Amino acid sequence: AQSVTQLGSHVSVSEGALVLLRCNYSSSVPPYLFWYVQYPNQGLQLLLKYTTGATLVKGINGFEAEFKKSETSFHLTKPSAHMSDAAEYFCAVSESNAGNMLTFGGGTRLMVKP
Amino acid sequence: DADVTQTPRNRITKTGKRIMLECSQTKGHDRMYWYRQDPGLGLQLIYYSFDVKDINKGEISDGYSVSRQAQAKFSLSLESAIPNQTALYFCATSDPNRNYGYTFGSGTRLTVV
Repeated sequence: AQSVTQLGSHVSVSEGALVLLRCNYSSSVPPYLFWYVQYPNQGLQLLLKYTTGATLVKGINGFEAEFKKSETSFHLTKPSAHMSDAAEYFCAVSESNAGNMLTFGGGTRLMVKP
Repeated sequence: DADVTQTPRNRITKTGKRIMLECSQTKGHDRMYWYRQDPGLGLQLIYYSFDVKDINKGEISDGYSVSRQAQAKFSLSLESAIPNQTALYFCATSDPNRNYGYTFGSGTRLTVV
């Protein structure tokens, strides 16, 4: 069965600092991995995804994530945080043998200090 | 128009009342989902539907029911609302043939008093 763990329910960074949001997964088959972002009072929108191919994937708003099979990780990074990055971030995994249904992590709320 | 539309956006209802949350999509996706979001608990799957005739319970279906009226419409009902059903509810869709993830609606904020 697939599962996702996001380390840190809350992360606080200063504006301009590196953003690192951690995601580890378990999967019995090669996974598909996703990051979603939820801005206040909005629904979830896709930030980036890994399916196959290049393990470093780039998403919207300067975010990127690297799939590391040996570490079963898919951490989300951004070199320089902006105030507008304050949101909740969800990591998710799906497996082709699970009908491509997503399993979500518990979410990480990112706070950006001026 | 949004790909996935949820109505109402906000609703306050009284304990014991029946309430229906509606979701419609223009994506042409067969699969639709209802999730509940509570602070600190992430997303919990309530029900999901793979097509009009295929409806399945999720992890927290007690106290909820659903209706898939058409490929594009998937409604969530609370037969007798209780205060601990106060939450943010999301509808989502997906295409089973393409692993592009889910498309979410903007959510319905439900308060049961």
